[in-house]
Amino acid sequence: SQTIHQWPATLVQPVGSPLSLECTVEGTSNPNLYWYRQAAGRGLQLLFYSVGIGQISSEVPQNLSASRPQDRQFILSSKKLLLSDSGFYLCAWSGVSRETQYFGPGTRLLVL
Amino acid sequence: KNEVEQSPQNLTAQEGEFITINCSYSVGISALHWLQQHPGGGIVSLFMLSSGKKKHGRLIATINIQEKHSSLHITASHPRDSAVYICAVNGNQFYFGTGTSLTVIP
Repeated sequence: SQTIHQWPATLVQPVGSPLSLECTVEGTSNPNLYWYRQAAGRGLQLLFYSVGIGQISSEVPQNLSASRPQDRQFILSSKKLLLSDSGFYLCAWSGVSRETQYFGPGTRLLVL
Repeated sequence: KNEVEQSPQNLTAQEGEFITINCSYSVGISALHWLQQHPGGGIVSLFMLSSGKKKHGRLIATINIQEKHSSLHITASHPRDSAVYICAVNGNQFYFGTGTSLTVIP
């Protein structure tokens, strides 16, 4: 069966520090991968999606970047965190038909 | 205006009550999803609908494609149903509602 992991579960970082969140998927090949952010009291916002290694599409301009160095690995990064980057970050995967997305457990990020 | 609107935003119910959460959308879709987000943040998919009605245990989801509306019903609600319920649609991308926070009181 397929599983999706996110690391770390919780992170507290100072403003201006770098960020690296990791997402890995097991049990499937060539998944579509997604990064979402959920700010407090708000809906899910799609940040990035990837249909293959090295292929990243950005949905909104922001302080973040994403990379897909391997088929089942998706990384969310920032060179310098802002207070507004605080939120709950969710990684998800889907098959090529994109019918259903499966979500990871999420990373709660607090920037102080 | 959001592509997906949910109501109500917050809902408190007594254990055993019948609960309805509504979702309206404004884009063309191939499917609609109901998701459940637990207090710890994890999200699970409850239903994927493209027409009609689906039932799983005490949960029932319906969709009216012509009216661009879906409802999620919970029968005989229980405190463990307390969660945020999110409506999402497959348009040219995934669009998400802001969620309905449900609290079921024993």
